[in-house]
Amino acid sequence: GENVEQHPSTLSVQEGDSAVIKCTYSDSASNYFPWYKQELGKGPQLIIDIRSNVGEKKDQRIAVTLNKTAKHFSLHITETQPEDSAVYFCAASKETSGSRLTFGEGTQLTVNP
Amino acid sequence: GAVVSQHPSWVICKSGTSVKIECRSLDFQATTMFWYRQFPKQSLMLMATSNEGSKATYEQGVEKDKFLINHASLTLSTLTVTSAHPEDSSFYICSGGTTTDTQYFGPGTRLTVL
Repeated sequence: GENVEQHPSTLSVQEGDSAVIKCTYSDSASNYFPWYKQELGKGPQLIIDIRSNVGEKKDQRIAVTLNKTAKHFSLHITETQPEDSAVYFCAASKETSGSRLTFGEGTQLTVNP
Repeated sequence: GAVVSQHPSWVICKSGTSVKIECRSLDFQATTMFWYRQFPKQSLMLMATSNEGSKATYEQGVEKDKFLINHASLTLSTLTVTSAHPEDSSFYICSGGTTTDTQYFGPGTRLTVL
């Protein structure tokens, strides 16, 4: 089955700096890659996603890049703010899995003011 | 974005009792609903997948007789934890899936079994 690895497990940055979280996946058939933000005691919130026919997608301060050949994708957050502090999860799925997501282990991002 | 609600947000129960958690998609029809559990500082662990009107598909190691899932409509799914024990204490999260593979998550239910 699919395996998603996520790095780093913790990331601490200063406010205003950029943060990058990287994920690799094992199943070349995977074609959908969402990123979720989870605040303490809450459910995951979809922040951005990308499909395999696109190499990069941007939404304001957040961007995701996908390298299908290398089977890895990354989340980039620019101009970080304290409210960006949360756990971020990457995930992968493929059409034949019935939308079943395989999650990475998560990254605890701390933005220091 | 699409909204998913869960009720209750937290519940405390005695060992041996059953607890029902509701998951509703408020502004979209979820073709598939998923149930996850999450332990502190860990990732989400998929328990089961359900489609409206069909029996749920459980992940390996998840007891289907203990975690009963009913998916009565395109906007409502329920998870019943039967004969709960302290080891069932966890954060349970549902999500609604759409035809575009996107999953929208509920706010979660914190279950504590005494």
